[in-house]
Amino acid sequence: SQQGEEDPQALSIQEGENATMNCSYKTSINNLQWYRQNSGRGLVHLILIRSNEREKHSGRLRVTLDTSKKSSSLLITASRAADTASYFCATDAGDSSYKLIFGSGTRLLVRP
Amino acid sequence: NAGVTQTPKFQVLKTGQSMTLQCAQDMNHEYMSWYRQDPGMGLRLIHYSVGAGITDQGEVPNGYNVSRSTTEDFPLRLLSAAPSQTSVYFCASSSMTGSIYEQYFGPGTRLTVT
Repeated sequence: SQQGEEDPQALSIQEGENATMNCSYKTSINNLQWYRQNSGRGLVHLILIRSNEREKHSGRLRVTLDTSKKSSSLLITASRAADTASYFCATDAGDSSYKLIFGSGTRLLVRP
Repeated sequence: NAGVTQTPKFQVLKTGQSMTLQCAQDMNHEYMSWYRQDPGMGLRLIHYSVGAGITDQGEVPNGYNVSRSTTEDFPLRLLSAAPSQTSVYFCASSSMTGSIYEQYFGPGTRLTVT
């Protein structure tokens, strides 16, 4: 079964707005990662947050992690049409930090 | 660096045929893995390897074999293709040293089994 589940499944926003995606997982983790997938392409790593971190920033990305609720959120600020993609959270399997289990993803559409 | 490469990009098989999906990386990564992605879904782990000569099963290993004779290559074999194996297959690799376990993905192989 999948470890991470994203919410919402799909999100449509206007360019310039912020996009927030959520991820919930079931078991304890060492770290959580977010990936982006453009249509028909492989996944690209965006950001990693460790279990002892609560918030992390990278450019227009902000990730939070709440281990007590087993949840994470990805915020993309000032979205652009080029941000249109699917976004996946991935958690390690608990027994190792490199074996990842992916969620089902959020499809983000940013309208120009 | 080419990163992670996969061949072929597209493949059509008949039920019962066998084939090998190729994956290679030039980053000297210890960890390599195979995922399948079905429409509208996330990636499911098929098999993975933590080094040459070492492989293990993921979530959905049935119908697939792997081997890791070198650090660079991690081929995935479909033993007897079935329509349920129609999917997009991604290979990924990552370093196991340090504390960053970012995975690098290949461009994928789109497989159709008729």
